[in-house]
Amino acid sequence: EAQVTQNPRYLITVTGKKLTVTCSQNMNHEYMSWYRQDPGLGLRQIYYSMNVEVTDKGDVPEGYKVSRKEKRNFPLILESPSPNQTSLYFCASSLERTLGTDTQYFGPGTRLTVL
Amino acid sequence: RKEVEQDPGPFNVPEGATVAFNCTYSNSASQSFFWYRQDCRKEPKLLMSVYSSGNEDGRFTAQLNRASQYISLLIRDSKLSDSATYLCVVSNDYKLSFGAGTTVTVRA
Repeated sequence: EAQVTQNPRYLITVTGKKLTVTCSQNMNHEYMSWYRQDPGLGLRQIYYSMNVEVTDKGDVPEGYKVSRKEKRNFPLILESPSPNQTSLYFCASSLERTLGTDTQYFGPGTRLTVL
Repeated sequence: RKEVEQDPGPFNVPEGATVAFNCTYSNSASQSFFWYRQDCRKEPKLLMSVYSSGNEDGRFTAQLNRASQYISLLIRDSKLSDSATYLCVVSNDYKLSFGAGTTVTVRA
């Protein structure tokens, strides 16, 4: 089954404790992206990647890191989480490198709470 | 100013009604436009792309007005299953910009 998977789905952690949220897609997609969703603000892009070893900042990259060592995986790293990073996180992928008419496929989301 | 703005609603309509709502975007160079549907904070899913000439998909009709920089979605003959949040999405090469969503609730 074609899908985007994220782990963990739910995480409660404390300020300053490094964490990684994994994202994997099995559709051989070129483009992958991370978003956070907060009430009233919609989804905001954190980082995106057009191909292996190619990543770039989105609208809200502060406090996050990513890597794209393999085509299928795009982990999101929070080196020192803070309470303002409490949010719902979505990973997404699409076939093409550009987003002209291409569908974005989203993972199921990760609910992160930082105390 | 937000790149994409939507009326948050909620639009509360009876089954069988028609409901329509818009979103506006600020970047005149935006290239592609979409409506996504999101149920109860689950992952968004593509509902339909929006083309300049307007397009229909069953009971859903989407329109794009580039001159005024707005996109619309109309739902005819509303079903209970149409209850969701509808996200207006605008793309520019490598970046998608999302509206905060319009909530529609269809009541029996």
